[in-house]
Amino acid sequence: AQSVSQHNHHVILSEAASLELGCNYSYGGTVNLFWYVQYPGQHLQLLLKYFSGDPLVKGIKGFEAEFIKSKFSFNLRKPSVQWSDTAEYFCAVPFGNEKLTFGTGTRLTIIP
Amino acid sequence: DSGVTQTPKHLITATGQRVTLRCSPRSGDLSVYWYQQSLDQGLQFLIQYYNGEERAKGNILERFSAQQFPDLHSELNLSSLELGDSALYFCASSVVAELYNEQFFGPGTRLTVL
Repeated sequence: AQSVSQHNHHVILSEAASLELGCNYSYGGTVNLFWYVQYPGQHLQLLLKYFSGDPLVKGIKGFEAEFIKSKFSFNLRKPSVQWSDTAEYFCAVPFGNEKLTFGTGTRLTIIP
Repeated sequence: DSGVTQTPKHLITATGQRVTLRCSPRSGDLSVYWYQQSLDQGLQFLIQYYNGEERAKGNILERFSAQQFPDLHSELNLSSLELGDSALYFCASSVVAELYNEQFFGPGTRLTVL
């Protein structure tokens, strides 16, 4: 079945630490890949997306993600996190252009 | 502010009741999506409308229905409410119907069924 997996449910890091959040999907077709972020008390907003071309995608606020087709992965990275990165992060994949399927989300807590 | 508005912000009601959630998309966006976010199910796609027509259906219960009006605002109707319907309901909009495009999310309506 088509699915999106985020294995890290809650990640706690200190400021300036490096971040990598995992996202794996199961789908054999052409994919577009998204990372959305939900800051406390705010609406979901797009962090970055992969449509085609360079598999290393740069997004807002210093985030980047790498699409590795052979591993069905689209991991989110940031070299040095800040307290303001505390949020919930969702990986999302549209399967067959019918619905956008979200992962279960990863709650990121940054300790000052 | 994403430009997508949802009303009401909070809704508390009893089992068996019926409620209507309202969404106004960003100016110029023709596509509206409804999602349900709960602790046990995560963020689930319910239904999509594009320019007034239903375009895609997800995990939407038969007790739930939606429509998109000529001015492009949308309403999600939830009836015969059960305790398990308590959740955050998000609306999102995008310019086109295709899912490769960014969706802009509203602030959500928190529904509590007692």
